[in-house]
Amino acid sequence: GDSVTQMEGPVTLSEEAFLTINCTYTATGYPSLFWYVQYPGEGLQLLLKATKADDKGSNKGFEATYRKETTSFHLEKGSVQVSDSAVYFCALSEQETSGSRLTFGEGTQLTVNP
Amino acid sequence: SQTIHQWPATLVQPVGSPLSLECTVEGTSNPNLYWYRQAAGRGLQLLFYSVGIGQISSEVPQNLSASRPQDRQFILSSKKLLLSDSGFYLCAWSRGLVRDMYGYTFGSGTRLTVV
Repeated sequence: GDSVTQMEGPVTLSEEAFLTINCTYTATGYPSLFWYVQYPGEGLQLLLKATKADDKGSNKGFEATYRKETTSFHLEKGSVQVSDSAVYFCALSEQETSGSRLTFGEGTQLTVNP
Repeated sequence: SQTIHQWPATLVQPVGSPLSLECTVEGTSNPNLYWYRQAAGRGLQLLFYSVGIGQISSEVPQNLSASRPQDRQFILSSKKLLLSDSGFYLCAWSRGLVRDMYGYTFGSGTRLTVV
């Protein structure tokens, strides 16, 4: 079946550092890819998405490019802030006859220190 | 616009007591609905999903159950809670498209502590 492998955490960075969280996937079809963010004590929020190869999703300074050739969707941000401290989940959609299902990675905890 | 409501936000229940968590969606019809649990504060475990009224699929065996009495209402229940049922429970909905370009929208979660 489809799967998502996400960079293990925790990741600790200083403010204004460059962030990369790796995500690779296996899928039989052409999934849509997503990054979700979970701030402490809250539910998950959609951060960005890409629905076809070479698409770049972006939001709040975060970016990720759908790379079909390397089956990757790495999350990047040029300069992180303390407020970016959260858990980040990579996910892909699986096509099923009853509606697609999301497969999530295990999540990566990011802590940004001032 | 679509919104999802989940309650209560926090709950402390004794072992052996019953449980009922409720989730409702507004602004859409015939959504797919999901219950997840986060036991370790990070990974997501899919517990149940539903593609329509009265249609429930269970992903893992456990002492929890789910029901969908109305199109936009999803309830997670237990007759007798165990200590291991403690965790953060998340409800989510999706459009149920075969090729989804929108992903899931999550509720704000319920922190359940069984004592």
